[in-house]
Amino acid sequence: DTAVSQTPKYLVTQMGNDKSIKCEQNLGHDTMYWYKQDSKKFLKIMFSYNNKELIINETVPNRFSPKSPDKAHLNLHINSLELGDSAVYFCASSQGGLGVEQYFGPGTRLTVT
Amino acid sequence: AQSVTQPDIHITVSEGASLELRCNYSYGATPYLFWYVQSPGQGLQLLLKYFSGDTLVQGIKGFEAEFKRSQSSFNLRKPSVHWSDAAEYFCVANTGNQFYFGTGTSLTVIP
Repeated sequence: DTAVSQTPKYLVTQMGNDKSIKCEQNLGHDTMYWYKQDSKKFLKIMFSYNNKELIINETVPNRFSPKSPDKAHLNLHINSLELGDSAVYFCASSQGGLGVEQYFGPGTRLTVT
Repeated sequence: AQSVTQPDIHITVSEGASLELRCNYSYGATPYLFWYVQSPGQGLQLLLKYFSGDTLVQGIKGFEAEFKRSQSSFNLRKPSVHWSDAAEYFCVANTGNQFYFGTGTSLTVIP
């Protein structure tokens, strides 16, 4: 069983479109995250949810909106896609608290043309 | 501000040689420290973590890391590198709800 899954794995779309990436974890964790990894492999946290409540909201354009329908899911919706949004987006989960391991999904490679 | 520094962007070693990847953190207290590995096209996988106690921690795949408070370092080591170790390595510090990632070190292994 995949612990943290993301769909789709690849996403190619045109500028101005709206797209969503879905994330699900079956680990029973209470905290989920979205990260953006750029072409230089730099990882930047975007959002974090704990029990469906937003706890980290870094400086991210408001075109990005996370949605957590339940503890096991954290989806990322992106409006009006721009070329600079091209990146690999990783979802992760952890069992809250301090000093706990994060489990990462396989990533979604988004290419905006 | 808290930060994690990985001074080496890219390292090349020969298969069978020893490896050390450097990591320094900047934080008032000792954070929780992790090393993750990202194989090409994959997500991140935990190699090892340090919370407290013994400053030499063992991880998976033959990796170990040593925490040195005086140097604010948490360097990753492996005595003999295998070709399959070629990947991107990230050092991470955790305080509260925040995770601070280093910029990563890309490891190339040559036969």
